[in-house]
Amino acid sequence: SSELTQDPAVSVALGQTVRITCQGDSLRGSYASWYQQRSGQAPKLVIYAADTRPPGIPDRFIGSYSGTTASLTITGVQAEDEADYYCNSRDSSQGFVPFGGGTKLTVL
Amino acid sequence: QEQLQESGPGLVEPSGTLSLTCTVSGDSINTNPWWSWVRQPPGQGLEWVGEIHQSGSTNYHPSLKSRVTISIDKSKNQVSLELTSVTAADTATYYCAMYKRQGVTWFDPWGQGALVIVSS
Repeated sequence: SSELTQDPAVSVALGQTVRITCQGDSLRGSYASWYQQRSGQAPKLVIYAADTRPPGIPDRFIGSYSGTTASLTITGVQAEDEADYYCNSRDSSQGFVPFGGGTKLTVL
Repeated sequence: QEQLQESGPGLVEPSGTLSLTCTVSGDSINTNPWWSWVRQPPGQGLEWVGEIHQSGSTNYHPSLKSRVTISIDKSKNQVSLELTSVTAADTATYYCAMYKRQGVTWFDPWGQGALVIVSS
């Protein structure tokens, strides 16, 4: 299956650490990318190739992976990190590009 | 960084055709091989619509394959999307994005998005 599964919602206290996970068979052969979407805005790339940050993304955003699970960890969470986060990969065998259902991060 | 701008009608009648254009700044349409469309129904998650290579080769979401066409016009720096026989379920914000396929894959940058409502 090409599906990617994410927890719908997670909450974290300001300054704490949160991990958002993404599970799917397509992750076995394809590294995940992660996107942050703040309310009313377009998605923004925060992690690609499983663990690489684009220029300008704070180092508190950390990507990792193991087998069929990719993770996005945010350390020292800031109020501006409140957003929806989506994972993505590519299922080359199917020619399909799945997105996870998204995780809504609430900062308390 | 490159900028992408979607444009097109914001309202389409049911059974009609949705047509959007993505205009790419600079020369990146000639230097980046792959381009994609992604949509997001109101209050819902992201859904990949399809992709196109500079050569014109395309791949589409299986559930949309019979209704969608993505094309590229390098002379105009534009990538276009057509979706036929639309229904209310096609109401969404449509984003174009540069798609990197270098062994690993990712979308960056994204356009600001164009909201298309299907209604009579």
